[in-house]
Parts: sequence; structure tokens; C-alpha cells
Amino acid sequence: QVQLQESGPGLVKPSETLSLTCTVSGGSINSYYWSWIRQPPEKELEWIGYIFYSGSTNYNPSLKSRVTISVDTSKNQFSLKLSSVTAADTAVYYCARGKEGPDFWGQGTLVTVSS
Amino acid sequence: DIQMTQSPSSLSASVGDRVTITCQASQDISNYLNWYQQKPGKAPKLLIYGASNLETGVPSRFSGSGSGTDFTFTISSLQPEDIATYYCQQYDNLPYTFGQGTKLEIK
Repeated sequence: QVQLQESGPGLVKPSETLSLTCTVSGGSINSYYWSWIRQPPEKELEWIGYIFYSGSTNYNPSLKSRVTISVDTSKNQFSLKLSSVTAADTAVYYCARGKEGPDFWGQGTLVTVSS
Repeated sequence: DIQMTQSPSSLSASVGDRVTITCQASQDISNYLNWYQQKPGKAPKLLIYGASNLETGVPSRFSGSGSGTDFTFTISSLQPEDIATYYCQQYDNLPYTFGQGTKLEIK
């Protein structure tokens, strides 16, 4: 059974960069797409972007200027960086396997943007 | 971006009831629609893909239908464990977008 686990700081200061890593276990990161999705408190889900194991990416245009998703196949991990964060970026961040209909998800990690 | 509008936003029903949720897309998305179930404090779980295909392991009381702009999600006989928020999501066009959710409660 594939499992995903997000890790990274739970508190980020405004204007700084949010950095999260997703570690995949129970399966290989190869041959799949991997996504980041977030959910602000009491709000709906928002697709951030995805990466193929080979490194090709696609981002939500609303975040594109601030987002970078990367993959490290040697560590079976992929990562999210979101720069110049504001309070509006406070959310639970999920990593997931797949792009159009992710079938395995991490448990999610709350990232709060506050000074 | 394609806007996804779900109704109702909340719903109260009794165990054994048939429950229906609708999702309308702001433009034609063919059948590129998923339905997710999200329980409090948990990640979403994919239930239906391609508008009407049941994900492996999902109980058959869940079903989906529709194409174009109008879609329906149905629970044929509501069970206590079905209490959750349900989301539709289109994947016809980037960026993929979600509905605002339907919170389902037991009456």
C-alpha cells in the first residue's frame, strides 16, 4: 500500500518561502504524476500543481509565479516551494499520487503564515 | 478557470435515505469529473472518476452520472459512516477546480 507523508515547518513568516516535502513509501515514485493540493481553513480544495517523475511540471496559473515543485527520485520524495507567502496561504497542504484524480493522499499538514 | 457549483451546500438525511448532490460546471467538461469524500481532519478520498466510474473498493451504494455541464452524485441508502463533506472536481481544463463542497449530516 502506497503511503505519502508531508513534512516541513508548520509556521512560516509573511514574505518568506513555504517549503514542504512529501515522502512516498510502499511504492516507487517512478512512472507516476504527483500533486500538491491545499485547503484553507473551512474552505474548498485548491489544486496547486503536479510533477511527473521525470520532472515535467504544471502549475495553477494563480500561483505559478510563486510555486516550484521538484522531485528527487533517489529519495522517493517530491517537494513544494511557495515564495512570498501571505496569510492567504494559510492552509492544510496535501501531497497526492496522480494528477487528474489522485488516488493516494498524505494526511495533510497545516501551514500557518504569521509573524 | 472552470467554476464548479455544488448544491446543496449542506444536507441532513436519515439512515437509509437516498441522497443526491448535484454539481454544475461553468462550461462543458464532457465526463472529466471526480467525486471525493472528506471526513473531518482527513484527506479527501476518491470515490467516483470519469463521472460514473466507481473507484476500487468503494461501496456500490455510491454512484455518479452526468456529462457536459450537469452531474449527479447519489448515495442509494445512507449509512452512518457516510457522514462527510463531498466535493466534485473537474479535470477537463487546467487548472483543475473543485466545487465548494456539500456537508452531509445525519438527521
